[in-house]
Amino acid sequence: QKEVEQDPGPLSVPEGAIVSLNCTYSNSAFQYFMWYRQYSRKGPELLMYTYSSGNKEDGRFTAQVDKSSKYISLFIRDSQPSDSATYLCAMTAPPIYGGSQGNLIFGKGTKLSVKP
Amino acid sequence: NAGVTQTPKFRILKIGQSMTLQCTQDMNHNYMYWYRQDPGMGLKLIYYSVGAGITDKGEVPNGYNVSRSTTEDFPLRLELAAPSQTSVYFCASSYRTSGGQETQYFGPGTRLLVL
Repeated sequence: QKEVEQDPGPLSVPEGAIVSLNCTYSNSAFQYFMWYRQYSRKGPELLMYTYSSGNKEDGRFTAQVDKSSKYISLFIRDSQPSDSATYLCAMTAPPIYGGSQGNLIFGKGTKLSVKP
Repeated sequence: NAGVTQTPKFRILKIGQSMTLQCTQDMNHNYMYWYRQDPGMGLKLIYYSVGAGITDKGEVPNGYNVSRSTTEDFPLRLELAAPSQTSVYFCASSYRTSGGQETQYFGPGTRLLVL
């Protein structure tokens, strides 16, 4: 089993739809969870950052972590064509819990297309 | 702040040639990383550095070398380029709190084609 699993899509939705993007993971030591957005031919940029379990909201974006199920989600409300990008989940464990230096584990990314 | 900059943006190499991918950050971050991204394969860590003079291997280091003589610069060297090294290369830098919280900032990438 890979450490982080993410459905590559592609996912196509109409403008205004609610989008749900998900990742599952196997390492229970992961405590920091991130979502990066990557536009075509650009570098990834940090979108959301959460620590441990719970929800975090930022405008139209909500990140959700369920550590008991080893499952994280990113919800996008009122999706816009400008949200069309690849979304990568990433996670890491503090070194004290066995996380190694420099080891931010990424999912493979889900390609999202929002149609006008 | 320019953030993380990478040069060149695109390069074509012949098999067996060598080149250096440049990466510079102006955020005074201690941690720097090199990733490669192949279609549908996500980001794979090549090398990383926790500070000037300190580097270590990541998941896919074979065929690459790095050095870190300053906080700002982290060049990636390809010796004897092979078609398998055709990829998009991203440099990143980060700061890390004592509790392990970290945010990585990525450069725009270098597209490399080895023929």
